[in-house]
Amino acid sequence: SQKIEQNSEALNIQEGKTATLTCNYTNYSPAYLQWYRQDPGRGPVFLLLIRENEKEKRKERLKVTFDTTLKQSLFHITASQPADSATYLCALDRAGGFKTIFGAGTRLFVKA
Amino acid sequence: SAVISQKPSRDICQRGTSLTIQCQVDSQVTMMFWYRQQPGQSLTLIATANQGSEATYESGFVIDKFPISRPNLTFSTLTVSNMSPEDSSIYLCSVRATSSYEQYFGPGTRLTVT
Repeated sequence: SQKIEQNSEALNIQEGKTATLTCNYTNYSPAYLQWYRQDPGRGPVFLLLIRENEKEKRKERLKVTFDTTLKQSLFHITASQPADSATYLCALDRAGGFKTIFGAGTRLFVKA
Repeated sequence: SAVISQKPSRDICQRGTSLTIQCQVDSQVTMMFWYRQQPGQSLTLIATANQGSEATYESGFVIDKFPISRPNLTFSTLTVSNMSPEDSSIYLCSVRATSSYEQYFGPGTRLTVT
């Protein structure tokens, strides 16, 4: 069955460092991969979308890579800040599909 | 982008009762989605609600348990019927951006069934 794996252990880093989160998937061929941020008690907020034919995408301090051979995406936050502390969800879509599959997310803590 | 509101934000309900959750969008959208998220778990799609047609339910979810209404292009309701403690969860509605796959979510409804 389709599976998305994100590190269930929280990631703790120091302010100013780069946070790197991993998303691995199996039994799926996504055309699009997305990253969302979710704060406690709130709905997810869209951050970035990357297509299968794109290797890398950037937005301000965020960078996403997508390796369809390894079936993996890496999500980087550079110059991290305490305000970046949240849970980050990875999500996959097939081309023309209407069902997005979400990972369980990785909790990030940035210490001042 | 779209701004989505949900009511109620949270509720505590007794076993065997039903709760209707409302989702309002600030713009007209074709497709709305209802998800369930249990603590520490990923979002699970319950159903897709299209205006003017029956909702499409995912495996493991049935209309008798989770009836959905979609009376217009900006509003939808999800009812959780005959509730049991296993229905305790956060319920989220979302819409998809036009010509894209990014989704916009409501703040969620935290349901506790006792």
